[in-house]
Amino acid sequence: GAGVSQTPSNKVTEKGKYVELRCDPISGHTALYWYRQSLGQGPEFLIYFQGTGAADDSGLPNDRFFAVRPEGSVSTLKIQRTERGDSAVYLCASSLDSRGGYEQYFGPGTRLTVT
Amino acid sequence: AQSVTQLDSQVPVFEEAPVELRCNYSSSVSVYLFWYVQYPNQGLQLLLKYLSGSTLVESINGFEAEFNKSQTSFHLRKPSVHISDTAEYFCAVSDRGNQGGKLIFGQGTELSVKP
Repeated sequence: GAGVSQTPSNKVTEKGKYVELRCDPISGHTALYWYRQSLGQGPEFLIYFQGTGAADDSGLPNDRFFAVRPEGSVSTLKIQRTERGDSAVYLCASSLDSRGGYEQYFGPGTRLTVT
Repeated sequence: AQSVTQLDSQVPVFEEAPVELRCNYSSSVSVYLFWYVQYPNQGLQLLLKYLSGSTLVESINGFEAEFNKSQTSFHLRKPSVHISDTAEYFCAVSDRGNQGGKLIFGQGTELSVKP
């Protein structure tokens, strides 16, 4: 079946602009995670959803970052007033359940470049 | 809080040689342990995981990892590597409790297998 998909695959934007990154999880997966991977680093947790609600947003770096999952499927990560330090690969993952131990399936990522 | 340390950022090795990628973690609670692999130009994939039971876990392509609670380690080993094992390897932990399945990753180890 189809895996996790993310659009766009690449996004170049100017400092100060607003961007939206989209994630389509595997059908039937109730848990959805967002991570950010900077060059030479491991993925860093941002936020996760169980169903429609954000169960843990402790990894969001500041209030410029926001994510939604209104129907419990597709999720959008929104970044306002982008800064050059936001440049990274943004990864989305989905899982059958949010409890620890369930495998997370990762998408290919969106490479965000802020100029 | 949890943290993961991968002691080697790069590991060059010749084909058919054995390899060990080291991973240590720090946590105040019990954790699940994972190794993820990222092949060139591909997304993150689960390689193996330790949830409970036998402390030695194996993957389908010959890798194994052993959970050592006293040393808080989960090192990854393979007795004979192939060129196709060239990839970035990430160790990760998640909380066994009620913190959801969010993954805390190490910074990654780049395994480079040379002919």
